[in-house]
Amino acid sequence: GNSVTQMEGPVTLSEEAFLTINCTYTATGYPSLFWYVQYPGEGLQLLLKATKADDKGSNKGFEATYRKETTSFHLEKGSVQVSDSAVYFCALTSGGSYIPTFGRGTSLIVHP
Amino acid sequence: NAGVTQTPKFQVLKTGQSMTLQCAQDMNHEYMSWYRQDPGMGLRLIHYSVGAGITDQGEVPNGYNVSRSTTEDFPLRLLSAAPSQTSVYFCASGYRGSDPRGTEAFFGQGTRLTVV
Repeated sequence: GNSVTQMEGPVTLSEEAFLTINCTYTATGYPSLFWYVQYPGEGLQLLLKATKADDKGSNKGFEATYRKETTSFHLEKGSVQVSDSAVYFCALTSGGSYIPTFGRGTSLIVHP
Repeated sequence: NAGVTQTPKFQVLKTGQSMTLQCAQDMNHEYMSWYRQDPGMGLRLIHYSVGAGITDQGEVPNGYNVSRSTTEDFPLRLLSAAPSQTSVYFCASGYRGSDPRGTEAFFGQGTRLTVV
C-alpha cells in the first residue's frame, strides 16, 4: 500500500535559518507528491506539488524536488520567517486514487 | 466562493450520544473524504466517496457512518460517541480535472470534537 514518512518534529529554527523537512514515500504505481501546510486553528492548504520525476514544486520560497531514485520529496526553504510557523504535511496520491495519503506532519517553530 | 464548509466548529458530546458532522462543498468536486487528526498521528482517513451514491472505508472507519446522496454534501455520523473519538475532524474534496495527476485536496476548517 501507500505510505509517507516524515521527520519527527518539532523543528525549531531562528528567523532566516535554512529549513529542510525530510519526506520519503512508498507507493504503488507512479505517485503525485504534495506538501500541505496547516496554520494554527485552520485546515490544510496546498503549499506545492510535483507530478513526475525530477519536477520541482515551488511556492512562497519553499521548494521540493520529486526524486524517484530515492523515493523522496524533501521540503526546503532558504530563509524562514516567523510567519512560516505551522505544521507541514507530505502527501501522495497514486494508483488511480485521488484521495491523498498523508504523513504524520512536522511542526515548525520559528523564533525571531 | 465558500469552498468546503464544515459545521459545527466545536462540539462537546457525552459518551453514548450520537451526532452528525456536516460537510458541504460548492465546487462540484467528485471526491470527498473525512480525516481525523490526532497528536503524533497525522491525518487518518475515516471514509471517502468518489461520487454521489458511492462510499468506502478508509483506515479507521469503526464507529462512523457516512452517506453521499448529493455531490455537495458528505455528512459523518457518530453512532455512539466514545472518548477515543475525541479529535479534530477534517473534511476534504477533490476533482479529477484536466490533469488528474496534479489535482489536490481542498480542506474545510475542521470540527473539534470532545467526548466526555
